[in-house]
Amino acid sequence: QITLKESGPTLVKPTQTLTLTCTFSGFSLAASGMGVGWIRQPPGKALEWLALIYWDDDKRYSPSLKRRLSVTKDTSKNQVVLTMTNMDSVDTATYYCAHSTPYGDFDYWGQGTLVTVSS
Amino acid sequence: DIQMTQSPSTLSASVGDRVTITCRASQSISSWLAWYQQKPGKAPKLLIYKASSLKSGVPSRFSGSGSGTEFTLTISSLQPDDLATYYCQQYNSYSRTFGQGTKVEIK
Repeated sequence: QITLKESGPTLVKPTQTLTLTCTFSGFSLAASGMGVGWIRQPPGKALEWLALIYWDDDKRYSPSLKRRLSVTKDTSKNQVVLTMTNMDSVDTATYYCAHSTPYGDFDYWGQGTLVTVSS
Repeated sequence: DIQMTQSPSTLSASVGDRVTITCRASQSISSWLAWYQQKPGKAPKLLIYKASSLKSGVPSRFSGSGSGTEFTLTISSLQPDDLATYYCQQYNSYSRTFGQGTKVEIK
């Protein structure tokens, strides 16, 4: 059974860097084809894809946010870490991590974590 | 970057109605399209992958079709539990893109 859970701060100040951790079980990021993605959703708005990291360390980023994002993995801890620099109020959202199939759809999702950006 | 456009943004239908949601891609994505259901306050759930493949455990009243740039999600007989927002997502390109969502309301 695949499960994922996001963790990190619930409140960050403008200009700070956000660091979120996705801890998962039921699969290994060392296994061929496996991937973990990050998706966010501002309150009352649509889903927005942010980043994706695959088993072979292939990393992909949203073109509009690429300069602010970084994603890494720790295979031994079953964790993926997302960092987003220069946070602003428009980055207030629920942030989800999700298991990506080898093809690219997201078949299992974490519960999400709400991050508020405010001074 | 591939853009995904869903229509309508909101629809209201009665229990038992046949409901269709459309998703259009700005360029061909072959069949690399997924549909998700998101209930209020919950994480999205995968319903359909590769345009028409039903994820295990998803009720058979849900179906997907299409290829290239035009896709549809159909609920054959709307149930009260189907109150949710539905999103399409493409995974043909280097990046991933979601549609803006379709909110389904029950009359």
